[in-house]
Amino acid sequence: RKEVEQDPGPFNVPEGATVAFNCTYSNSASQSFFWYRQDCRKEPKLLMSVYSSGNEDGRFTAQLNRASQYISLLIRDSKLSDSATYLCVPRAGGSYIPTFGRGTSLIVHP
Amino acid sequence: DAGITQSPRHKVTETGTPVTLRCHQTENHRYMYWYRQDPGHGLRLIHYSYGVKDTDKGEVSDGYSVSRSKTEDFLLTLESATSSQTSVYFCAISLAGDEQFFGPGTRLTVL
Repeated sequence: RKEVEQDPGPFNVPEGATVAFNCTYSNSASQSFFWYRQDCRKEPKLLMSVYSSGNEDGRFTAQLNRASQYISLLIRDSKLSDSATYLCVPRAGGSYIPTFGRGTSLIVHP
Repeated sequence: DAGITQSPRHKVTETGTPVTLRCHQTENHRYMYWYRQDPGHGLRLIHYSYGVKDTDKGEVSDGYSVSRSKTEDFLLTLESATSSQTSVYFCAISLAGDEQFFGPGTRLTVL
């Protein structure tokens, strides 16, 4: 099993839709989790950090399920500008080497 | 935005030539990383540093070396570039080894 698994997509959704991505991780010692977004031909940028059961920032909600070892990212009221690749990154406690998933591609269309 | 720059931003070189990429930060972050990103592979860690003169290998370190003589600079060297090293290279920094901030990337083409 890969350390981090994400559905590559693409997820094609209309503007205004709600969309959710899951990310599964294999290292049960993972204690902190991060979602990054990466626009085409650009660098990844931190979207959200998750240190406990979840986090919410505006239209974005991240939830952590430790028992099943997955984290999810929910985007409400999708905007065209949300089109990007979303990278899931768990980090084990004591490690300073984050493990990147390959990302999930989101395309929001008019 | 975090103060992190990469140079050069684009480079075309020939097989067998040495290439050095530079990552410079103004944030005084302890950790620095070099990644390469290729279609179908996502971000793969090449080397990382946890302090001045303290570096270690990542998952794809063959053919690459690094140096960090100052907190703010992390250099990636391809001793003898090969076509398989054509890629986009990202530098990242982290204060405590958790959230990372990425540079704008260097697009390297080896002919």
